[in-house]
Amino acid sequence: DAGVTQSPTHLIKTRGQQVTLRCSPKSGHDTVSWYQQALGQGPQFIFQYYEEEERQRGNFPDRFSGHQFPNYSSELNVNALLLGDSALYLCASSSGPIANYGYTFGSGTRLTVV
Amino acid sequence: AQSVTQLDSQVPVFEEAPVELRCNYSSSVSVYLFWYVQYPNQGLQLLLKYLSGSTLVKGINGFEAEFNKSQTSFHLRKPSVHISDTAEYFCAVTSPKSGGGADGLTFGKGTHLIIQP
Repeated sequence: DAGVTQSPTHLIKTRGQQVTLRCSPKSGHDTVSWYQQALGQGPQFIFQYYEEEERQRGNFPDRFSGHQFPNYSSELNVNALLLGDSALYLCASSSGPIANYGYTFGSGTRLTVV
Repeated sequence: AQSVTQLDSQVPVFEEAPVELRCNYSSSVSVYLFWYVQYPNQGLQLLLKYLSGSTLVKGINGFEAEFNKSQTSFHLRKPSVHISDTAEYFCAVTSPKSGGGADGLTFGKGTHLIIQP
């Protein structure tokens, strides 16, 4: 049973460019959340998708957007990249009430902006 | 708004000694609490969670944590650590939503557990 799969694992982009990160949730999960983890910090919540809609959003600018597809997979898009966007981007999936399943995290995509 | 404070950024412990990693949270509503572990260059792995019921929660790899509502704490403990426990540990909080599900997780800054032989 595959867990949460993220691609690519590493990415280098130039300031001002746009990037798309991808996530496939664990089998049976229908909710996907995205987190940004800067070096030496805890993860910060970006947003959560359920039923192809953004359900909740953290304190991130509109440059960060997302999408969820009918098969529950998700994309995170970041426009006009800044050096400060360099971080590990984590995807987490869940299903049903959190009491039953909790969140399962992927290994992340390491984004470097130069 | 919720917040999590992990009081120690780094905790050195000798192998086979006990360890406690401290976590305090701030929230005006009921909470769900979690401890995650992160090994180098990897994602987060759930150690244990408190949702309701017994305040003493047992997790994987011999870890346990105790929810103390009056002190707004959720400290993580292990009676005897091993070299393989060297990792970054994160405490996180969220709140249940009506109809099921929960808000996004709010994490602390992490505690680096260093096991010395």
